[in-house]
Amino acid sequence: KAGVTQTPRYLIKTRGQQVTLSCSPISGHRSVSWYQQTPGQGLQFLFEYFSETQRNKGNFPGRFSGRQFSNSRSEMNVSTLELGDSALYLCASSGVDRGENIQYFGAGTRLSVL
Amino acid sequence: AQSVAQPEDQVNVAEGNPLTVKCTYSVSGNPYLFWYVQYPNRGLQFLLKYITGDNLVKGSYGFEAEFNKSQTSFHLKKPSALVSDSALYFCAVRPSSGSARQLTFGSGTQLTVLP
Repeated sequence: KAGVTQTPRYLIKTRGQQVTLSCSPISGHRSVSWYQQTPGQGLQFLFEYFSETQRNKGNFPGRFSGRQFSNSRSEMNVSTLELGDSALYLCASSGVDRGENIQYFGAGTRLSVL
Repeated sequence: AQSVAQPEDQVNVAEGNPLTVKCTYSVSGNPYLFWYVQYPNRGLQFLLKYITGDNLVKGSYGFEAEFNKSQTSFHLKKPSALVSDSALYFCAVRPSSGSARQLTFGSGTQLTVLP
């Protein structure tokens, strides 16, 4: 079974631009969560999608948004990029709707904002 | 709100010696606890979880963790460390009930196993 796939692996953008990151979950998984990892703030939860609906949202500004498609693939979008948005963005998928389920992570997309 | 503390930023251990990476947590109600490992330029890899049952949980690559409810701890252990275990380790918690299903992570512990 293929794992969680995130594309692209690396991105370089300039301030003010917008960016879209993609995540394909493990086949059969319906929950997709996004996390931001930075050296200063560590791993922080962005949002979770389940069956095309946002189920939970972390404490990030409205510039950060996401969506999930009917095939469970998810995208996240960051508009009006700031230098502080430079981070590793991780996507995780999990199986049936049970809290104990393991979240499996992709390799991440490293975003650099210049 | 839940939280996780990993009190050691760095743990060094000699190859072949036992290792312990510490984790304490705070959560309302019963916790679901997880350990993940991250190698350079990679995502997080699941090691083990505690949901309920035996306090000693066995996971991948010879790792185990001990759940202690009274001390709200979930320390990661391995009887004999390998150089290849050198990586960044994260402890995570989520409540077993309620609508907040996201993982809350600790700040991470860099484990270095010296040959």
